[in-house]
Amino acid sequence: KNQVEQSPQSLIILEGKNCTLQCNYTVSPFSNLRWYKQDTGRGPVSLTIMTFSENTKSNGRYTATLDADTKQSSLHITASQLSDSASYICVVSATGGGNKLTFGTGTQLKVEL
Amino acid sequence: DAGITQSPRYKITETGRQVTLMCHQTWSHSYMFWYRQDLGHGLRLIYYSAAADITDKGEVPDGYVVSRSKTENFPLTLESATRSQTSVYFCASNPGANYEQYFGPGTRLTVT
Repeated sequence: KNQVEQSPQSLIILEGKNCTLQCNYTVSPFSNLRWYKQDTGRGPVSLTIMTFSENTKSNGRYTATLDADTKQSSLHITASQLSDSASYICVVSATGGGNKLTFGTGTQLKVEL
Repeated sequence: DAGITQSPRYKITETGRQVTLMCHQTWSHSYMFWYRQDLGHGLRLIYYSAAADITDKGEVPDGYVVSRSKTENFPLTLESATRSQTSVYFCASNPGANYEQYFGPGTRLTVT
């Protein structure tokens, strides 16, 4: 069964600090991996999409990495801001799975003053 | 307004009642999806549609019905609501596989 596991479940950091969120997956055969940001009360918004051949992708202060051999990804947030407080969801797509995605349960990040 | 919208945003209904959640997108995307989001679970796919008049089951389709007579609309109907269907429902769309999925704002449904 395809699975996506994220850690930690929740995280509290001070504004201005960096943090890294982890994602392990067992989706096979792998097609692409996405990171979404979901603010409270809103729908998820895509941050990055990475295919098998990409091992790093950035979107502003967000940098995602992918190791397809170990089936791990990370999302690094630099110089955190209060507006980064949200749930970050790792999502994996399988080749031949069409548009079907496997979602992790998310890491709840809170950035405090 | 351009984008993807859902209505209503909040709904309280009683067990056994029929309720329909609406989803509308203005991009003419081929694909549309319905997900539910519950604590302790990732988003789970209920139904999806590859084009008008083409729908298929997702991971958790039981108790739900969908239709897609027009490309821009994808309503989700709970024929006889149960408490286990209390959840937040998200609609999404994209132009094809491997493209980003764009999510609506969600509908919070409570079944009493």
